[in-house]
Amino acid sequence: SAVISQKPSRDICQRGTSLTIQCQVDSQVTMMFWYRQQPGQSLTLIATANQGSEATYESGFVIDKFPISRPNLTFSTLTVSNMSPEDSSIYLCSVEDSLNYGYTFGSGTRLTVV
Amino acid sequence: RKEVEQDPGPFNVPEGATVAFNCTYSNSASQSFFWYRQDCRKEPKLLMSVYSSGNEDGRFTAQLNRASQYISLLIRDSKLSDSATYLCVVNALTNDYKLSFGAGTTVTVRA
Repeated sequence: SAVISQKPSRDICQRGTSLTIQCQVDSQVTMMFWYRQQPGQSLTLIATANQGSEATYESGFVIDKFPISRPNLTFSTLTVSNMSPEDSSIYLCSVEDSLNYGYTFGSGTRLTVV
Repeated sequence: RKEVEQDPGPFNVPEGATVAFNCTYSNSASQSFFWYRQDCRKEPKLLMSVYSSGNEDGRFTAQLNRASQYISLLIRDSKLSDSATYLCVVNALTNDYKLSFGAGTTVTVRA
């Protein structure tokens, strides 16, 4: 299955600042997905990132708050902008795993905003 | 109504026991179904896909009931290492990559 390297694994940030999370995949993939998992909750899709086009955001998520880059078929970044304590969560990237007919996730970024 | 609902548990079982739990989904057009395992502070990992005919992988058996819109997971001969949260994941359309996640069922296997 695909191997994803996600960085940073965790961070503690001041409110009002921004954090950029990176995901590197060891193979070319058409779509990459960004999720948020708040404490005790399940995963919520933030946006789908396609190479060469703007990301598609889910209801409740906007580009100004969560800008995404997808410069090539193996890499994507998610920025959490102007952070507030409510943004404290785990952020995960994911790609479709065609071999296993499922989806592979990055190891996650545990963000705490103080 | 949530798209995917699971009994949160926890299911506390002794080693060697059998544990089973279900997940219901609301969209009758759902096409793909998965069970993922998530350990504490880790990312979800695919446990198994769920096929219409049901499928088995070692001690794990998954079933799909389209009429009642639920899938199930059964774990036989539970091991301590089976302790985790099991996420039910559903994909509505074969050409739509969006996944819907259940909140997870927590299983704790005790010695």
